[in-house]
Amino acid sequence: EDQVTQSPEALRLQEGESSSLNCSYTVSGLRGLFWYRQDPGKGPEFLFTLYSAGEEKEKERLKATLTKKESFLHITAPKPEDSATYLCAVQALYTGANSKLTFGKGITLSVRP
Amino acid sequence: ETGVTQSPTHLIKTRGQQVTLRCSSQSGHNTVSWYQQALGQGPQFIFQYYREEENGRGNFPPRFSGLQFPNYSSELNVNALELDDSALYLCASSPGLSGDLWDADTQYFGPGTRLTVL
Repeated sequence: EDQVTQSPEALRLQEGESSSLNCSYTVSGLRGLFWYRQDPGKGPEFLFTLYSAGEEKEKERLKATLTKKESFLHITAPKPEDSATYLCAVQALYTGANSKLTFGKGITLSVRP
Repeated sequence: ETGVTQSPTHLIKTRGQQVTLRCSSQSGHNTVSWYQQALGQGPQFIFQYYREEENGRGNFPPRFSGLQFPNYSSELNVNALELDDSALYLCASSPGLSGDLWDADTQYFGPGTRLTVL
């Protein structure tokens, strides 16, 4: 069974204080790993897709990296508007045409001004 | 380009009732997936529809059912509502092979429907 574990559960940062969010996963074969941002009461907003170990993607203050067992979301010099819940999800190879996502519980990030 | 839309935004039902939630997929997307998100949890996969056929199902009982229409919009139906069905219901669409290969599997989510069962 596919599993995704995110840590820490919550993270409080001062504005400008860089940090990393961790996503550990187990899957029989990885088709893709996805990062989403979710604001309270809203639907998840797509950030990145990573397909193979060693891959990196960047968007503004965010950078996602992938190894064979985990992914990191690095936040550089965060601002209060980066406060949100960050969700990690995996898509397995064996599901064939079914491209379901298995999510972690998310990491709630709060950035203080 | 219009994103994924869902209706209604909020819904309050009582135990034992039935509910229908609706989703319009993003333009050009032929695959729709439904997820249930309880408070403080990540979304849980309910089922997926591809070209009007169910294309995979998660660990949800048969009282959760769905439809996809020729225009790729979709419905989620839940019968005999239970208190534990209270959650945010999310619809996501993906382009599949009708889109760019690099983006085929990316799921784009709607704003969700908040269902409260009393």
